[in-house]
Amino acid sequence: ETGVTQTPRHLVMGMTNKKSLKCEQHLGHNAMYWYKQSAKKPLELMFVYSLEERVENNSVPSRFSPECPNSSHLFLHLHTLQPEDSALYLCASSRGQGGEKLFFGSGTQLSVL
Amino acid sequence: GENVEQHPSTLSVQEGDSAVIKCTYSDSASNYFPWYKQELGKRPQLIIDIRSNVGEKKDQRIAVTLNKTAKHFSLHITETQPEDSAVYFCAARISGGGADGLTFGKGTHLIIQP
Repeated sequence: ETGVTQTPRHLVMGMTNKKSLKCEQHLGHNAMYWYKQSAKKPLELMFVYSLEERVENNSVPSRFSPECPNSSHLFLHLHTLQPEDSALYLCASSRGQGGEKLFFGSGTQLSVL
Repeated sequence: GENVEQHPSTLSVQEGDSAVIKCTYSDSASNYFPWYKQELGKRPQLIIDIRSNVGEKKDQRIAVTLNKTAKHFSLHITETQPEDSAVYFCAARISGGGADGLTFGKGTHLIIQP
């Protein structure tokens, strides 16, 4: 798989667990994003990183913690999640940080029990 | 902030017919309008985008039209094929906004009947 790769594809965790989602892009892009996709709701932007610096944080609860060690890798650290956090978490990248021409990964389907 | 409404939520058409999906936006400062296609179990993929200085854009069987006065834009798919079955998302981005200025619609599930 080329482009934007996310792992794991599926994740089931309890409310007291700590887990991390990983994203890697092979496109030479400068910006990376985390989106949340829930059924019958629009895609929700969570975080944006441009050249490894966080530029957007859309009032996301602190139980979600992003990390961007370099322009190719992005993590989303999860702890003490709630059942309503169950969703598909999509990583994306783009050349600039303005949200144009996003390349998405296949997502991590997260279930919180 | 921007509000994007997308209709219909589900659209079923016969193979070979045309399909039209419509979106309206609220902020007249929006200047970038992409459309994404998401097949079942797969990633969203950009299929076409348009800027506010253009009224229409075509790419083979796909076209997007923009009416800035009415603040709506539409996706047109002609000669539909089974592989067009997917969920389609529109979005609008406010001029000068970063990624947080990009607001998505709720999606349209397009079903191509054989």
